[in-house]
Formats: sequence, structure tokens, C-alpha cells
Amino acid sequence: GAGVSQSPSNKVTEKGKDVELRCDPISGHTALYWYRQSLGQGLEFLIYFQGNSAPDKSGLPSDRFSAERTGGSVSTLTIQRTQQEDSAVYLCASTAGHQNTEAFFGQGTRLTVV
Amino acid sequence: QQQVKQSPQSLIVQKGGISIINCAYENTAFDYFPWYQQFPGKGPALLIAIRPDVSEKKEGRFTISFNKSAKQFSLHIMDSQPGDSATYFCAASGGGATNKLIFGTGTLLAVQP
Repeated sequence: GAGVSQSPSNKVTEKGKDVELRCDPISGHTALYWYRQSLGQGLEFLIYFQGNSAPDKSGLPSDRFSAERTGGSVSTLTIQRTQQEDSAVYLCASTAGHQNTEAFFGQGTRLTVV
Repeated sequence: QQQVKQSPQSLIVQKGGISIINCAYENTAFDYFPWYQQFPGKGPALLIAIRPDVSEKKEGRFTISFNKSAKQFSLHIMDSQPGDSATYFCAASGGGATNKLIFGTGTLLAVQP
């Protein structure tokens, strides 16, 4: 596609439910990031995938958060047993490689836990 | 050591003025320093980037100044315009096994007409 695509754009869920957020990176990009951005705040790193290497999960805030990347392309971020503090915009970005190239961001998924 | 510290948190500049945003880092292995611009409701987009082999890079009204010895870099926006009003993030990467981008906390810039 022309850019990084994220779905859904908005998600409202009840506390305690599980949610899945999807990211379609730019075709051919080998690296993929997930970030979380709370209202008016900075970018909180969650997880990083690079090719076939083991993902860097060091930013995941709890074991309720997990992510996978199938076939080196599409990625899904799953949040189990959602809490109100999980409400934020979840941003996905992809890059062409790991040698410090431009990161292209999607529009984000705005998650609201009620 | 992985942090990138950004200041100020917010900035108000008059139209035509110079906007200056500063960042500092600790990890001397970082070798790529981009700035991203984010408008409300949008994802961040690359504005300009620099590598440590140069001390300055200019693209139009946007300039990065880089001080390797002080481990600091800054974004200067000359002749600031209301359309420049956005959140700006500095970032750094390099030297680690994953080369992941480490972002600063962001600066909300408002350019008043």
C-alpha cells in the first residue's frame, strides 16, 4: 500500500474485554514498531520487530499486552482484560531496515476503555 | 542511558519568529537523530534528520544543529508560521542490537499570527 495502515481507527471497548489492533506496514519494510501515545503525551515504545529476529518486547507495560507479526508483514497488538488506563492512541510505524532509516507512521488507533 | 531528554514541553512563538527546541542524549552509540512533526489526529512524520558526522543540516526553514561533544541537538524553525503549529519530537537511534528509535517527550509549538 501507499503507507502504513492501521485498523480500526477508533475502538471503544468495555473494561475487561480483549482487543486486537492491526497494522499493515509498507510493503517490503522489514522493521515494525508499536508505540502508545496518551492524550497530549509523548510516544511510549511498546515493541519492535526486525525481520526474523526475536522482537524487542522491553516496552510492553504488562503481560496483558502482546504482539505478533505474521509472515514478516501484518502485525497485531493484543490487549487482554483492558483497563481504563489502556485508553490511548496506539501508533504503528515501519521502516525499510534497521540501519537508521525513516520511520513511517500510521494514523493510529484511538482506544477508549469504558 | 537510553533516554532522550527534550525541552521545552511547550513553546509559543510569534509569526516570523524563531522556534528552538532542544534535545540531549546519553548514549554515545547513537548515530541517527531525526525530528518528527505531528499534527492533531495524525501520526508523526519525519521532518529532518542528521547524522553525527556533520554539525548542521538545513532544509528550507528547518535547521538541525548538532553538538557531539555536548551530546545535544536542536531544531530551529526560522520565520515560524501558524502552519508550523504542531507537536515536535526528537529521536535517536543506533548502536544497539535493535536500533530502535528512542523518542523525546515532545514539544507543543503554537505560532501566533
